[in-house]
Amino acid sequence: KQEVTQIPAALSVPEGENLVLNCSFTDSAIYNLQWFRQDPGKGLTSLLLIQSSQREQTSGRLNASLDKSSGRSTLYIAASQPGDSATYLCAVPMNRDDKIIFGKGTRLHILP
Amino acid sequence: DVKVTQSSRYLVKRTGEKVFLECVQDMDHENMFWYRQDPGLGLRLIYFSYDVKMKEKGDIPEGYSVSREKKERFSLILESASTNQTSMYLCASSLGGTGGYTFGSGTRLTVV
Repeated sequence: KQEVTQIPAALSVPEGENLVLNCSFTDSAIYNLQWFRQDPGKGLTSLLLIQSSQREQTSGRLNASLDKSSGRSTLYIAASQPGDSATYLCAVPMNRDDKIIFGKGTRLHILP
Repeated sequence: DVKVTQSSRYLVKRTGEKVFLECVQDMDHENMFWYRQDPGLGLRLIYFSYDVKMKEKGDIPEGYSVSREKKERFSLILESASTNQTSMYLCASSLGGTGGYTFGSGTRLTVV
C-alpha cells in the first residue's frame, strides 16, 4: 500500500532563504507526482506536476525533482518571500485508476 | 485553465438536515473526486467517479452519497447531517492518466 510522508511537518525560515521541502513514497511504481499549495481555509492550488519519465519541473522560483528509485521528491523554493507561507502537499497516484494519496503536508512560515 | 467550482464557500446546517454540496468543472474531465480535510487527518477520499452515472466508494463513504448525472457536475450528499461531518470539503477533477488533479476552493461545512 502506497504511503506518502512529508518531513518536516512545519518549518519557519527567514525571508530570502532558499529552502527544500521533502516528500517520500513507499511504492516507486508511480505515474506522476504533484505538488500543491494550500492557504488557510482555501482549496489546493497545483504548483508542479512531474511525470514518471521526468527528473524535474520548474516554475518561477519553484523547482521540483523526482527520484523514483529512491522514492523521493523535493520542492525547492528560491529566495523565499512572506507570501510563500502556506501548507505544501505532495501527492502520488495509487495506480492506473488515478486515485491519489496525499502526504500530510509541510506548514511553511516565512519570517519577514 | 481548468476551473473547478464549488457552489458554496461556507455552509451552516442543522443536525439531521439533508445537505447537498455541488461541484462543477468546465474542461470535460472524466474523473471527479470528493475529499474531506480535517486537522491532523489530512485529506481523505469520500467518493469518486470515472464517468457519468458511475460512482465508487473511497476510504470514508459512510454517511455520504453522490450523484453524477452530467459529466461536468458531481454532487456530494449528506443524507442526515451529523456534527462529526463538520469539515472542509474539497472537490477535484482530473483528465485521467498522467494529467494531474485540479481542486475547487473548498466548502467549509459546519453542522450544529
